[in-house]
Amino acid sequence: EAGVTQFPSHSVIEKGQTVTLRCDPISGHDNLYWYRRVMGKEIKFLLHFVKESKQDESGMPNNRFLAERTGGTYSTLKVQPAELEDSGVYFCASSQGPATGWNTEAFFGQGTRLTVV
Amino acid sequence: LAKTTQPISMDSYEGQEVNITCSHNNIATNDYITWYQQFPSQGPRFIIQGYKTKVTNEVASLFIPADRKSSTLSLPRVSLSDTAVYYCLVGETNFGNEKLTFGTGTRLTIIP
Repeated sequence: EAGVTQFPSHSVIEKGQTVTLRCDPISGHDNLYWYRRVMGKEIKFLLHFVKESKQDESGMPNNRFLAERTGGTYSTLKVQPAELEDSGVYFCASSQGPATGWNTEAFFGQGTRLTVV
Repeated sequence: LAKTTQPISMDSYEGQEVNITCSHNNIATNDYITWYQQFPSQGPRFIIQGYKTKVTNEVASLFIPADRKSSTLSLPRVSLSDTAVYYCLVGETNFGNEKLTFGTGTRLTIIP
């Protein structure tokens, strides 16, 4: 069974440019999460989809970040325009039920390392 | 969500048993305790989950005392490949608040 896959694995862009990250969850997983870790900091929650709906987007830093999950399958996270402080590793995770639920395992992708220069 | 506190780092020799303790003094009745492991350049990976007493799987054991204000992840006979960051997470399922919250984690280094 394929795991959670993220594209690209690395991205280097200039400040002011736009970048789109993609996450393909495990098939059948309704719950999809985006997380981010900036250098030296903890892994921080960005948002949570249930199917195509945004369940919780309280972690989105500002309106330069836009996440979508059309059709409830793969998800994209677009940063426009990118700023230096957006650099970090972006992780996607998926789970059948809510990740905090009993006997529920969240499966994480390998992450996308974004560098804004 | 309950805040967790773990040691920032630990070292251990190969073949030893390693115990990592996590404090979660404000844990709520409905909260579960979950541990994740993260290797460099990879996403976190689920290890074990518990509610109370002891849970064991093929990877680790999780000990939770009766008051549930702390938990201990036990890794038997560690090897070099167990070098990773270990996260203790506490969370419940409340509609609209179903996210895993990561703390600093414990960086475990296994010494040959």
